[in-house]
Amino acid sequence: EIVLTQSPDFQSVTPKEKVTITCRASQSIGSSLHWYQQKPDQSPKLLIKYASQSFSGVPSRFSGSGSGTDFTLTINSLEAEDAATYYCHQSSSLPQTFGQGTKVEIK
Amino acid sequence: QVQLQESGPGLVKPSETLSLTCSVSGGSINSYYWTWIRQPPGKGLEWIGYIYYSGSTNYNPSLKSRVTISVDTSKNQFSLKLRSVTAADTAVYYCARVGGSSSTGIDYWGQGNLVTVSS
Repeated sequence: EIVLTQSPDFQSVTPKEKVTITCRASQSIGSSLHWYQQKPDQSPKLLIKYASQSFSGVPSRFSGSGSGTDFTLTINSLEAEDAATYYCHQSSSLPQTFGQGTKVEIK
Repeated sequence: QVQLQESGPGLVKPSETLSLTCSVSGGSINSYYWTWIRQPPGKGLEWIGYIYYSGSTNYNPSLKSRVTISVDTSKNQFSLKLRSVTAADTAVYYCARVGGSSSTGIDYWGQGNLVTVSS
């Protein structure tokens, strides 16, 4: 099973600041890495698929990069509505797995 | 706009079977993979498995001996059965669509159904 490790676990950020979340895979997964945003009491929402492809309707301040074992989700100019937990997810091999999540709090 | 809605009991007794159905509207169940994900209260996401509209399945090995996912294309629904549940199976269960192929992102999610395992 591929283990995804996100860092940091928690981040407190000022509005308009840039946020960077990393996801490291225990073995190479190519570009089969996806990012989700989950707000309290809501279901997750797809932000980025295949490491860097923005999902339809996602604000342009969200971007993804990386391949192999190291991936990054970047939120440029954080807005108050971006307070949420962010998860990475690999679909390269079964079972599919998720990172433990990174909670982003607005200062 | 594709919408998914889980339905099923919110309380299941230990050792019994958890059964949930996901109704898909706004699009056909055909030509996609459909998945179940669960999230224990206050914890992260766990992939349970997926089914292709044709009926082929893949399950998480940690649950494989207890889980069955099935599809009913005539009703535009797919279902989850988890046998011999324990308190560790208490979670919000999400049904969702895997967009395009089995290896792409999960693009549409249901609102989730909290299932509590308790006597």
